[in-house]
Amino acid sequence: DIQMTQSPSTLSASVGDRVTITCRASQNIYSWLAWYQQKPGKAPKLLIYKASSLESGVPSRFSGSGSGTEFTLTISSLQPDDFATYYCQQYNNYHTFGQGTKLEIK
Amino acid sequence: QVQLQESGPGLVKPSQTLSLTCNVSGGSVSSGGYYWSWIRQHPEKGLEWIGYIFYTGNTHYNPSLKSRVSISVDTSNNRFSLDLRPVTAADTAVYYCARFAGVHATDYWGPGTLVTVSS
Repeated sequence: DIQMTQSPSTLSASVGDRVTITCRASQNIYSWLAWYQQKPGKAPKLLIYKASSLESGVPSRFSGSGSGTEFTLTISSLQPDDFATYYCQQYNNYHTFGQGTKLEIK
Repeated sequence: QVQLQESGPGLVKPSQTLSLTCNVSGGSVSSGGYYWSWIRQHPEKGLEWIGYIFYTGNTHYNPSLKSRVSISVDTSNNRFSLDLRPVTAADTAVYYCARFAGVHATDYWGPGTLVTVSS
């Protein structure tokens, strides 16, 4: 089984900040990684697929990078709507999600 | 715009079968290139992939749930279903159906349905 480890678990930041969330895979997943945003009571929303491809309609302040076992999601300038929980997901071998990163207002 | 909607009982007794259906609109489950997925989220916890099915009936399941899970597809009615048996309280979760689009990851999700396992 491929394990996905996100860090940090919780992140406190302010509007306008640049933030980075990291996701590590227990083995090589090439670029088969996606990032999702989830708000309370809602389904996850796809932000990034294939490690760095921006989903249609997602603001350009979101970006993804990495390959192999180390990946990052960066939000260049936090907006009020961005405070949510973020998950990474590998889809190289079945599917596995990270445990999530809760982005809170400082 | 593809839309997915879960339906089924919100309460299931321990040792019984959890059965959910996902109705798909705005697209066809028979479209090649897509896998129709089930994912769950335990209360205040993270996401767990359950499995998915291709329109041909080919399935892939999470190894940790494989012995208890069955996913089927009904192309005539454009829907797919999940059976999980036997259930325990640990299966209490919000269950999502979703579309896995290969390279494009999981791009469409239903709103989710809470299933509680309790006597």
